[in-house]
Amino acid sequence: GAVVSQHPSWVICKSGTSVKIECRSLDFQATTMFWYRQFPKQSLMLMATSNEGSKATYEQGVEKDKFLINHASLTLSTLTVTSAHPEDSSFYICSARREGWTGELFFGEGSRLTVL
Amino acid sequence: DAKTTQPNSMESNEEEPVHLPCNHSTISGTDYIHWYRQLPSQGPEYVIHGLTSNVNNRMASLAIAEDRKSSTLILHRATLRDAAVYYCILRPGSGSARQLTFGSGTQLTVLP
Repeated sequence: GAVVSQHPSWVICKSGTSVKIECRSLDFQATTMFWYRQFPKQSLMLMATSNEGSKATYEQGVEKDKFLINHASLTLSTLTVTSAHPEDSSFYICSARREGWTGELFFGEGSRLTVL
Repeated sequence: DAKTTQPNSMESNEEEPVHLPCNHSTISGTDYIHWYRQLPSQGPEYVIHGLTSNVNNRMASLAIAEDRKSSTLILHRATLRDAAVYYCILRPGSGSARQLTFGSGTQLTVLP
């Protein structure tokens, strides 16, 4: 079956540093990928839609200069949290839409970011 | 986006069937009903989806009301590994690349 992989699965960083999270579709091409953020005991909140070869579309309230998204190939999207602060600590999850989509979205395992 | 309403939590005994309800009274004619589940510290996992007819797969069954304003996810024999948050989501119909909007879901606890 289709697999979406995220890396790293967890990361701890100091306040003010930048962190990059990768999302790869391992056995299919994904023209569209989505990035979600999830705080403890809360549901997933969509941050942005990433389209291969074009700029990402950000949800209201999500700072595009803070959460940089790049979707340079059909199998890779990256999320960079710039100048991270403790309030950015969260569980970040990506998902990918497969070409000829039958409905199912494939999700990565998630990346837990802790900013000290 | 059309909204879904689910109970915050449910409990089940191991090896017994579980019926997880979902109300979606504002569903449109082209919305698909999706179910995903999320185990602790993992990304969501696809369970099942349907449009009008009931659906079965190896994981679960989906029963859709005739008026499509509600649906029920059925786990035929709950195991401890089925303990998760279950999300009922409506996806706009064909031709849309729309993302899925997650509600609060139902936390299922399976008792040994």
